[in-house]
Amino acid sequence: NAGVTQTPKFQVLKTGQSMTLQCAQDMNHNSMYWYRQDPGMGLRLIYYSASEGTTDKGEVPNGYNVSRLNKREFSLRLESAAPSQTSVYFCASSDGAGQETQYFGPGTRLLVL
Amino acid sequence: DAKTTQPTSMDCAEGRAANLPCNHSTISGNEYVYWYRQIHSQGPQYIIHGLKNNETNEMASLIITEDRKSSTLILPHATLRDTAVYYCIVKTGNQFYFGTGTSLTVIP
Repeated sequence: NAGVTQTPKFQVLKTGQSMTLQCAQDMNHNSMYWYRQDPGMGLRLIYYSASEGTTDKGEVPNGYNVSRLNKREFSLRLESAAPSQTSVYFCASSDGAGQETQYFGPGTRLLVL
Repeated sequence: DAKTTQPTSMDCAEGRAANLPCNHSTISGNEYVYWYRQIHSQGPQYIIHGLKNNETNEMASLIITEDRKSSTLILPHATLRDTAVYYCIVKTGNQFYFGTGTSLTVIP
């Protein structure tokens, strides 16, 4: 039982390049989330998926797209990376049943030059 | 828009209780208070949550004031491994709103 896994662990991009961050969970959770954490800051929600087939914007969705590929997987895409998107990205999942607890992955560290 | 307010940092002696305060004066009646912690740059780890009653689990206790405008997380016997950033979060709908948290340092 791996919980929430994220790939890659670390990535360097040049401005304008695109990439997709992958997230998978093996807890049969309904809801999945993408957050970003800038240095010295708390986490901010980018997008979430309350259930398979649905996605919604969070606090800071601009510059990102998401895909809920199936119940297990939720990907985050940067179409044209900008230095302002340099951050640590965390994926999380929860069972979506109300007062549910979110379980977080280990994070992806992204540097945009 | 910050929903919670926490001290920036705190110290605690090893073996003593760590009491971490949080203000959430604009909390609504159906919003839960969650506590998470983040060790180094790892993913946040769930600690405890509550609505209006005090809660206890194997990690910590959560004391919520009667008016629900503030709460305190208590780590009964802090160890060096409890050094982390602690986040007090109000969950609104499907969204967690993280603040900047309290950096707790447990001192030997």
